[in-house]
Amino acid sequence: DQQVKQNSPSLSVQEGRISILNCDYTNSMFDYFLWYKKYPAEGPTFLISISSIKDKNEDGRFTVFLNKSAKHLSLHIVPSQPGDSAVYFCAASGTSYDKVIFGPGTSLSVIP
Amino acid sequence: DVKVTQSSRYLVKRTGEKVFLECVQDMDHENMFWYRQDPGLGLRLIYFSYDVKMKEKGDIPEGYSVSREKKERFSLILESASTNQTSMYLCASSLVRAGETQYFGPGTRLLVL
Repeated sequence: DQQVKQNSPSLSVQEGRISILNCDYTNSMFDYFLWYKKYPAEGPTFLISISSIKDKNEDGRFTVFLNKSAKHLSLHIVPSQPGDSAVYFCAASGTSYDKVIFGPGTSLSVIP
Repeated sequence: DVKVTQSSRYLVKRTGEKVFLECVQDMDHENMFWYRQDPGLGLRLIYFSYDVKMKEKGDIPEGYSVSREKKERFSLILESASTNQTSMYLCASSLVRAGETQYFGPGTRLLVL
């Protein structure tokens, strides 16, 4: 039973438009959420995070939104660039957890 | 810059062989992790370690063991490789126990024939 879900295995977006990647979680004890980006043949790299005391965190072109009541978060990339084409993993953790739980990933393709 | 290195990028092994995957980090991180990545399943935690000689099971420890004799080095051992252990193996380290950013190595793609 997946505690962190990314229901879209893939997403295609035109260059310059907005990419929205979604993530749902089931465990209300999670209080820290992260997004990682992974290129083929490389390890994942940290992108952006948000704690449960916030509902938005922004870093340049990347913004993460958290809706705790819906147990939903989303990553917005504006504007999307071809170099953003990668697999994006949503992850969740909490102070009562020893580890981070990763979602299955969404493969983003940004078309020039 | 944190650097996490893994001993091999690609490995081909036979069923029943003992396989060692090595991971080294250079940032004096307390915590180290081994994951496997499979399509549609994301990253699944095999084992993790919070200190030298300490190890804890993750979500899928069966068929694996680990060793952490030095702080910077965390080894994953497949005691008797099987075809269902064909996967991408990723090592990671972090400074803080939970929720903190993890730094990943480049991965080892293991094929078990």
